[in-house]
Order: sequence, then C-alpha cells, then structure tokens
Amino acid sequence: NAGVTQTPKFRILKIGQSMTLQCTQDMNHNYMYWYRQDPGMGLKLIYYSVGAGITDKGEVPNGYNVSRSTTEDFPLRLELAAPSQTSVYFCASSYGDSSYEQYFGPGTRLTVT
Amino acid sequence: GQNIDQPTEMTATEGAIVQINCTYQTSGFNGLFWYQQHAGEAPTFLSYNVLDGLEEKGRFSSFLSRSKGYSYLLLKELQMKDSASYLCAEKDSNYQLIWGAGTKLIIKP
Repeated sequence: NAGVTQTPKFRILKIGQSMTLQCTQDMNHNYMYWYRQDPGMGLKLIYYSVGAGITDKGEVPNGYNVSRSTTEDFPLRLELAAPSQTSVYFCASSYGDSSYEQYFGPGTRLTVT
Repeated sequence: GQNIDQPTEMTATEGAIVQINCTYQTSGFNGLFWYQQHAGEAPTFLSYNVLDGLEEKGRFSSFLSRSKGYSYLLLKELQMKDSASYLCAEKDSNYQLIWGAGTKLIIKP
C-alpha cells in the first residue's frame, strides 16, 4: 500500500492564483482530513470528510474548498491565493473518527508571494 | 477555546531518559494522542490514551491524568534517531483533534 499520497510536494503561487492540492489514500479509509502547519503552531484542521459525498468545515476553512467524490480522493482547492496561505499542508486519513490513528501524507509546502 | 501546552524545546543525552509534558483543558476531553514528527516529514502515530495511567510501548510510554488535564510522553534509552518534534493532540467534545505546537527534542551524543 502506498498509504496517503499528496501532490505536488512544493509549489510557489502568486497572489490571486488558484490551485488544487491532490490527496489520495489506498487504505479504504472513510475519514479524511486537511491540515495546515505553520512554524511554531499546532496543526490546524481546514476541512474533513467522513465519507464520499460528505464534507465539513474545520477550524480554519476560509479561502479553501474541498470535494469528496470517491473514497480515495480528497482534493483541496485554494481560490485567490493570499500570503497568509503560505504553509505546509498535510492530508490525513483514518479508519474511523478521531479516536483512530491518523495516517498522514508527506505534505505540500506552499509559498504565496 | 481549547489550549494545549507543551514545552517548545528540550535537550537530552543519548542513552538517557526524557519526559515531555503536555497540559490541556479538561472540559470536553475525549482522549489524548502523541505523534512524532521528524523535520520535513509527516507526523506519525505514537500513542492514544483515554483512561488514566501509564501505557508502555517499547522504549516509549505515555501517561494520562484526566483530573489534572496532564499527560506525558516518556522516552527511554534515547537514540539519535529520536531527535524530532513530539506533538500532543487532544480529542475534544466535538470529536476533533486540537493540536499542541509540538516539543522539539534535541539528542546530544
């Protein structure tokens, strides 16, 4: 199993550009999450999904959108990128709710200038 | 809001023992996780505590006191590869994880 994969690994965006961060898992997990990690701060939950077709906002959803059309894929869309979105983005999945271990992808390092 | 507090950085010697503390707000508590994160890599799961007491898993142990809102991660027989950040995360009343900023552990020979 590849586990959780994310693309791209690195990206530089100009202010106002848009992009999609891809996330795929092959463990047949129902729960998937998007986090951002800023230096000196804890992981912040952006969006999560409890199954295909179901998504919900986390702590910091503004400026982002998600979709979950299949169990495997959970892309994160950034519209009108802003410097405040410069961060490392992690996708994670788990078999069940937050009582279960989360498996993280390798991360996407995004810079908005 | 929820606050998770853990030291920013700790230094220890190879072969020694180190304890990394984590305090959290007790209202709405539903469980506590510890994750390890090497620099530039993704977090990986270490432990999950729901009940009071010590859970041992090889060189790593995790302790929880729900009444005190306190947990610690104990690392024994430290190895250079243990140099990493250790993240404490509380499962809150909304069943989401609230993450601490992490403790950077530096191991010296």
